Order: sequence, then structure tokens, then C-alpha cells
Amino acid sequence: ETGVTQSPTHLIKTRGQQVTLRCSSQSGHNTVSWYQQALGQGPQFIFQYYREEENGRGNFPPRFSGLQFPNYSSELNVNALELDDSALYLCASSSLNNEQFFGPGTRLTVL
Amino acid sequence: AQRVTQPEKLLSVFKGAPVELKCNYSYSGSPELFWYVQYSRQRLQLLLRHISRESIKGFTADLNKGETSFHLKKPFAQEEDSAMYYCALSDASGTYKYIFGTGTRLKVLA
Repeated sequence: ETGVTQSPTHLIKTRGQQVTLRCSSQSGHNTVSWYQQALGQGPQFIFQYYREEENGRGNFPPRFSGLQFPNYSSELNVNALELDDSALYLCASSSLNNEQFFGPGTRLTVL
Repeated sequence: AQRVTQPEKLLSVFKGAPVELKCNYSYSGSPELFWYVQYSRQRLQLLLRHISRESIKGFTADLNKGETSFHLKKPFAQEEDSAMYYCALSDASGTYKYIFGTGTRLKVLA
């Protein structure tokens, strides 16, 4: 069984640019959630995808968007990057029993 | 407002001493509570969930609905318990999003 994987591991962008982060869910999972973890903070919920549809969203502006594909992998897109977007972005996959399995994260630095 | 509070950023104990990591929550409804752990250079992983009532690696946590708490306890700390611990609440309104606390770093001293 393959665990949750994320790419890239690290990324450096400048203000105003756009970024796409990728997540492959664990085998058998149909739900993917994305979280932002700023330094010294706990993860904050961005949104969740269930069977290719958005299934809930946290307090993040519309420039944070996502996709889920038929194989349940997912992308997180962030437009018009701001300095405060610098964080660790975590992806978690789950099935019906609600336990979320986390990936290793993508560290985004915005200069 | 839905919130998870972990009042201690850092907790240092000596090996063999009891450990209690505090977690309080604010939620209207019947939440599901979790403890996640992150060891150095590893990903977040589930330690406990309240519905399973298991003891994992010697840790236990009891959901106290009256005090809205879900404290994590271990009678005798080991050096390998040193890690970052996050308490999380699952919003069971259909989204099952997690609301995390800010985490407590546990250092077990030799």
C-alpha cells in the first residue's frame, strides 16, 4: 500500500506568481484535504475534495483553488502569491472512516 | 466558534516521569477528537482517536465532554516520545475537516 505523496518537496516563488502543488492519495482513499501550516502553528484547513467535487472550504480567499482527478489525486493552486502564503502545505487523504493520512508536505517560500 | 486549544507550547519532563498534554476544545455538537504526533523529520501520523479507546505506545486520552477536554497522558515517559503533538477536532458536519491546535512540543530528558 502506497502512502500519501506530495510534490515538489520545496518551492521558491516571488510575490504575484502562481503555484501548483500536487498530491497523490493513499490507495483506496477517495477524499483529499489540503491544509496550510505556518511556522509555529497547527495545520489550517483550506478545502476538501470528495469524488472530484469540492466538499467544504476553510477561510481562504478564492485565489486558493483546487482540483481532484478521477484517480483521486489532487492539485492545490494559489494565484497572486503573497508573502504570507509562505508555509508548509499538507495534503491528507481519507476514506469513510474519517482517519486522515498526511503526506510529507510541500514547503513554499514566497520572496 | 470551533476551536482547539493546547495551552503549552513546550513541555519538558524527565524519562520515567508521567506526562499530560492538555487539549481543550470548543464545539457545538458531538465532535470526534484525535491526537496526531510528528516525530523529527517525519510526517504527521495518528496517535489516538477517542472513538477507538485504544492505548497506543502507552498513551491514553479520555474525552471529557463536561470539561470539553481531551488530554493525552502517559504514566512513564520515554526519550523516544519526544515529538510535536497536535490535538485535532473533526467537524462531523459532512466535511470532516480537521481543526488543529497549535501543538505542544514534548521533550523527554534523560
